[in-house]
Amino acid sequence: DSGVTQTPKHLITATGQRVTLRCSPRSGDLSVYWYQQSLDQGLQFLIQYYNGEERAKGNILERFSAQQFPDLHSELNLSSLELGDSALYFCASSVGGQGNDQPQHFGDGTRLSIL
Amino acid sequence: GENVEQHPSTLSVQEGDSAVIKCTYSDSASNYFPWYKQELGKGPQLIIDIRSNVGEKKDQRIAVTLNKTAKHFSLHITETQPEDSAVYFCAAYGGGADGLTFGKGTHLIIQP
Repeated sequence: DSGVTQTPKHLITATGQRVTLRCSPRSGDLSVYWYQQSLDQGLQFLIQYYNGEERAKGNILERFSAQQFPDLHSELNLSSLELGDSALYFCASSVGGQGNDQPQHFGDGTRLSIL
Repeated sequence: GENVEQHPSTLSVQEGDSAVIKCTYSDSASNYFPWYKQELGKGPQLIIDIRSNVGEKKDQRIAVTLNKTAKHFSLHITETQPEDSAVYFCAAYGGGADGLTFGKGTHLIIQP
């Protein structure tokens, strides 16, 4: 058990809808990272937050947004969903946040299926 | 940006033998190289990592080597066991405001 908690485990919705994925980092970790895993693209970094502020941005679509709250949990919001958004979404956390050279510990992901 | 190539995509070895997975990276500024193991239905699990100021790191049956000149790094698993069967990912961090860049993964199969 990595100590990173993601909810829900599975999410099924339709095109055009909006969903929110939630992540609680390991106790003591200040950074949260979001990744998307799909068969064709592999594991892709989306965005990082450190202590409530955006720290790094990767291949995140404009339809996607994230935030980190004062209690350090994070939410990833996906809107105007398309079939191609079907994927596994992982959250990871680390202690520090200056860069991405800190050991990152992953949750077990949310599987998003768009029908 | 950074690009990470990983080989092979599938590796089958006999139980007890060694397994080697290789990765190359493109950005010479990259300074952190973690390896993850992912089992079915689970998230990636960090198994070992290495920084650019070190050439080799070992943890029991697992070792990682780094060649900065050639821009490649490798994962070595000795005395493989059935529980080593999983998908393994290498990754590289290039610094700045980038995230980790992952390889495409290697499906390691341990034959009994």
